[in-house]
Parts: sequence; structure tokens; C-alpha cells
Amino acid sequence: GAVVSQHPSWVICKSGTSVKIECRSLDFQATTMFWYRQFPKQSLMLMATSNEGSKATYEQGVEKDKFLINHASLTLSTLTVTSAHPEDSSFYICSARVGGSLSLNEQFFGPGTRLTVL
Amino acid sequence: DAKTTQPPSMDCAEGRAANLPCNHSTISGNEYVYWYRQIHSQGPQYIIHGLKNNETNEMASLIITEDRKSSTLILPHATLRDTAVYYCIVRVAGGSARQLTFGSGTQLTVLP
Repeated sequence: GAVVSQHPSWVICKSGTSVKIECRSLDFQATTMFWYRQFPKQSLMLMATSNEGSKATYEQGVEKDKFLINHASLTLSTLTVTSAHPEDSSFYICSARVGGSLSLNEQFFGPGTRLTVL
Repeated sequence: DAKTTQPPSMDCAEGRAANLPCNHSTISGNEYVYWYRQIHSQGPQYIIHGLKNNETNEMASLIITEDRKSSTLILPHATLRDTAVYYCIVRVAGGSARQLTFGSGTQLTVLP
């Protein structure tokens, strides 16, 4: 299956700093990438959907000015958590979808990034 | 996308078959049943999907009832590494599909 990578796999930062998380599709082009967030013992919650070359669409309750998403190429999307606070500590997972695919298993997930804000 | 209902947790003895049920009574005719699993602190992993026929791959089997209102994921010989949260998701597939939406899933614990 297609491979999606994330970097870093974990990060610890001080409150008030910004953190950038990269998501790459390694062996396919992804016209659409999704960012999910998962708090301990909870399910994945979709934060935003990004299409290459256009602005991301954010889910209700997700601040677009705090969680900046850039999808500049067909293989890379970045999520920047600006002015991070302890309540932003979570497991962030990206997912990529193959463009125009007729495949029924077309959404592939990265390994996740554990963010801890002190 | 149709809503799914899964038991919150299940145990299974190592080497035995694990049968994970999922109810999706409001499924539409063009919606597929997908199963993903998430091992602790990892991203979700695709397992299998189906429309109405039973499906089998190297990981698992998917049994869908004739009325399509429920399904069962079968791991034929569970190992300790199969301990994970298993998500049953129902959605339209293909180019017009939206993102995968995750419910609370079933925590499967495989016991030695």
C-alpha cells in the first residue's frame, strides 16, 4: 500500500512557541490530505481537509489561525501549531488520499506525531 | 455516512479467532463497510473493506449480513500484536468520497 510519513514523530515544546509537523506521501501524489487530532483514550477527530494549492477547510471548532495548514505540493502538507499551549498536547495524524483514484482503499495514514506542550 | 455501533471492548485468547461485530442498520446501497485498526500510538491501518459479498485477505475476513445491516470482522488466529482499537466505518467510496470519520471503535485485547 501507499506510504505516508510524518515528521517529527514526537516533539516537546514550551508554551507559546510554534511547532511545524510535516506530512509526506512517499510513493504517490495526494491531491487531498487530512489532519486529525487524537486525545488520550479518544477517537480520531478530523481537524481540517487540505487540497493541493488551495486553502484548507477546517472543521467546526478548529481555529484556522492557530492551526495553519499548507499543502504546497502533491506530496507535502504541513500543520503548524502556533502559540502552542498545554491543551494543544495531543497526537496529530495526517492522512493522504490518492487523487482521482477509483481505489476503494484510497485514504492512507501517517504514523502520527505526539506533541507535548510544557 | 451511516452511523456504526461497536462494542467498546473485547478479549480474545491468543491463537483463537477474534470476531468483532459492527451494526450499521442505516447503511445505504452505495456505502461500503471499511475496517481499520489502530495500535497504540500509531496511525490507523487499513484492514479490509466490502460492499455486500464476504471478503478475505491476508489479514482478516469480513462477513456482511444479507441485509447489510451488520458485519463481522474475523481475525482467524489472533496474536498479541493484534491488540488494538478496531474501527468499523461505513461510507461511500471512490472519487466523491469524503474523509474517513472514526467512531469510538472496539478495543481488542489478545490475551496470552
